[in-house]
Amino acid sequence: AQSVTQPDIHITVSEGASLELRCNYSYGATPYLFWYVQSPGQGLQLLLKYFSGDTLVQGIKGFEAEFKRSQSSFNLRKPSVHWSDAAEYFCAVGLHNTGTASKLTFGTGTRLQVTL
Amino acid sequence: DTAVSQTPKYLVTQMGNDKSIKCEQNLGHDTMYWYKQDSKKFLKIMFSYNNKELIINETVPNRFSPKSPDKAHLNLHINSLELGDSAVYFCASSQGGLVIDTQYFGPGTRLTVL
Repeated sequence: AQSVTQPDIHITVSEGASLELRCNYSYGATPYLFWYVQSPGQGLQLLLKYFSGDTLVQGIKGFEAEFKRSQSSFNLRKPSVHWSDAAEYFCAVGLHNTGTASKLTFGTGTRLQVTL
Repeated sequence: DTAVSQTPKYLVTQMGNDKSIKCEQNLGHDTMYWYKQDSKKFLKIMFSYNNKELIINETVPNRFSPKSPDKAHLNLHINSLELGDSAVYFCASSQGGLVIDTQYFGPGTRLTVL
């Protein structure tokens, strides 16, 4: 069964500093990988996703993520964090079942706090 | 216009009661989901419907029963509520049921069982 690990429960960065959120996955085949963001009191919003091809994926709000098969990682990065980026970030791996719906397995999330 | 909406936003109830949460999407999507997010923020899928047909049913107690009257709606009915049911429940939808189809989430319903 697939699984996702986000080692950092809570990260604090200063506004303007760079950010990297870690995600490691366990999956037997080529994974479908996602990053979602959850702002306080809101639902989840997709930041970016990786299926195949270029291992560096660009997303919304200036985020990017890099798929590294050798490290089973899909870390999320942003060069310069804004105070509005404070939120909970979830990494997820997708399993496609032929003939049925896909299932996403989520990590436990990383809470990002941004100091001014 | 809200893409995926849920009602109510907050629900506080006593143990043993029966309650329902409603979900509607106006995106024209074929697939809808229910997720449960526990107090540790762990998010886990419960059910998935495609064109009103149940296609994913995770290990969820029988007290939970989803109902899809049409493609745009997926309601969640919970019987005999227990303390452990306290969580945030998210509805989501996607165009199809493939893993490449982006899932759009509602704002969540915070259920508190006393």
